[in-house]
Amino acid sequence: QKEVEQNSGPLSVPEGAIASLNCTYSDRVSQSFFWYRQYSGKSPELIMSIYSNGDKEDGRFTAQLNKASQYVSLLIRDSQPSDSATYLCAVLGGGKLIFGQGTELSVKP
Amino acid sequence: DAGVIQSPRHEVTEMGQEVTLRCKPISGHDYLFWYRQTMMRGLELLIYFNNNVPIDDSGMPEDRFSAKMPNASFSTLKIQPSEPRDSAVYFCASSTRADTQYFGPGTRLTVL
Repeated sequence: QKEVEQNSGPLSVPEGAIASLNCTYSDRVSQSFFWYRQYSGKSPELIMSIYSNGDKEDGRFTAQLNKASQYVSLLIRDSQPSDSATYLCAVLGGGKLIFGQGTELSVKP
Repeated sequence: DAGVIQSPRHEVTEMGQEVTLRCKPISGHDYLFWYRQTMMRGLELLIYFNNNVPIDDSGMPEDRFSAKMPNASFSTLKIQPSEPRDSAVYFCASSTRADTQYFGPGTRLTVL
């Protein structure tokens, strides 16, 4: 079992819809979780971090964490074509970030 | 701030040649990370430094790979000899904490 798992996608949503990206992790003691966005040919960029159970909102982005289920998600409201990218889930474990394979999101105009 | 700087941005070399990738972290950041990204394996941590000291090199694939950080503003990742399977994008990242990392633009390495 991979330490951090994501559906590779592609996930396709129409412009204005809510995009839901999901991630599960295997290490129960993990306390810190992150979402990175990576545009094609570019480097990963941190967009959200979450440390406590529940929701954390930042503009159109909401991160959700459920430690009991070992599940973290990212919701993007009012999706825009500019949100089209690969979204990487990362979990801090053993003093280092462990990344999932990423989910490719495509927002269609 | 200029962000994390990497050079070269692209490198094409022949199998067996030595390759050196360079990284300048953001000033004041005391963590530096080297990652490799491929379609098959995703983003993999190779090694990371804290205050110029290597902390975890368990991701370094084999002895052909080595990394150094002689001072707080410079690090190198060397591959000798290079092989076609080393072809990937290599990212350097830096941070003040192990988690909130800022990535450089990457070096796209092609080994023929």
